[in-house]
Amino acid sequence: TQLLEQSPQFLSIQEGENLTVYCNSSSVFSSLQWYRQEPGEGPVLLVTVVTGGEVKKLKRLTFQFGDARKDSSLHITAAQPGDTGLYLCAGAAETNFGNEKLTFGTGTRLTIIP
Amino acid sequence: EAQVTQNPRYLITVTGKKLTVTCSQNMNHEYMSWYRQDPGLGLRQIYYSMNVEVTDKGDVPEGYKVSRKEKRNFPLILESPSPNQTSLYFCASGFQEGLAQHFGDGTRLSIL
Repeated sequence: TQLLEQSPQFLSIQEGENLTVYCNSSSVFSSLQWYRQEPGEGPVLLVTVVTGGEVKKLKRLTFQFGDARKDSSLHITAAQPGDTGLYLCAGAAETNFGNEKLTFGTGTRLTIIP
Repeated sequence: EAQVTQNPRYLITVTGKKLTVTCSQNMNHEYMSWYRQDPGLGLRQIYYSMNVEVTDKGDVPEGYKVSRKEKRNFPLILESPSPNQTSLYFCASGFQEGLAQHFGDGTRLSIL
């Protein structure tokens, strides 16, 4: 089973600050997804990165896939209270049976203080 | 509206009383799965289904059953619930497991 470690586990910052959260593994993934989960709801997909070194931007959120496809980061610029939530990364890797399996990290719980 | 619908959203019950959590998706997805989410442990997959009548165990299948008689429905069955199955449960669907997953809003189960 591939393991995905996310750091930090908890992060609380003031509105307007910048932050970066990390998703690390010793395994190689064919793609990596980032989700945001708000209280009382299920995770919602933010982005999928596929190519090593790939950078994707979603407004104030910047996602990067590591060159070796083992890690990823999420950078938020000028954080807003609406960014508060649990951020989950999920890596997809091929199994011995030829299908792809998705493994979720344990998440980073982000709180933006107004 | 594309969605995954779980019912019930909340349930408090007692040890040994069989229960079923329903899940339905309207996106014609082949792949469906069940996860449980526990503090510090993240999302752990219970069972998954690649298509109708095709189901397989995930990482934590003990104490659970599933069925996939129709493409849109994937119920989770707890034949004899125990307190260690108290958790937040999510159903998800997608065209394949490695692709984007759509999650329901969760079912919070408390087994007393």
